[in-house]
Amino acid sequence: DAKTTQPPSMDCAEGRAANLPCNHSTISGNEYVYWYRQIHSQGPQYIIHGLKNNETNEMASLIITEDRKSSTLILPHATLRDTAVYYCIVARRRAAGNKLTFGGGTRVLVKP
Amino acid sequence: GAGVSQSPSNKVTEKGKDVELRCDPISGHTALYWYRQRLGQGLEFLIYFQGNSAPDKSGLPSDRFSAERTGESVSTLTIQRTQQEDSAVYLCASSLSDGTSRSNEQFFGPGTRLTVL
Repeated sequence: DAKTTQPPSMDCAEGRAANLPCNHSTISGNEYVYWYRQIHSQGPQYIIHGLKNNETNEMASLIITEDRKSSTLILPHATLRDTAVYYCIVARRRAAGNKLTFGGGTRVLVKP
Repeated sequence: GAGVSQSPSNKVTEKGKDVELRCDPISGHTALYWYRQRLGQGLEFLIYFQGNSAPDKSGLPSDRFSAERTGESVSTLTIQRTQQEDSAVYLCASSLSDGTSRSNEQFFGPGTRLTVL
């Protein structure tokens, strides 16, 4: 599975949009981009995933560049509860399930 | 319904002892995963089970580590002759994996914090 590169940390103001970048320049055609987050002392939580089209759900939006070498997770209105480590993961979506390779992630601190 | 549960939540053991960690996946989820997270680091994949297929053990760090799963239910991760470097949070996840769009979403339990003295 392709590796990803994320900034180690970023701050965001409460109520503002948080834009989290991820580089995955070696992504292959059948690999998806997944985002998970881990709030302190909890297990990771799925946020969103996509292949090449932009995706939106109740938690966030995922913007994938046309060449698929990078993506951005957007939290539209960050709240204090969004403070967490956010992981960008690239993996094939096998029907039988797939192991995830977590990198260091981006530690997001939402400030009042 | 209930999420993924793990027990115990905390385990302190002495070096050289064996430990068993338990995971109860979400009912109906066919895939079950074990990960390890050392302090301040990301998750490391250990092993995963999918239905009746042979488990993918490629992430197990040594032969002291083993895991079993009974059908599509409970799984037990066993660490024999524990070492101090085994200290970590052990996380279990399950997924539906029925081929639909969201079915690969992994639902994680709260983890078991293992401390080896």
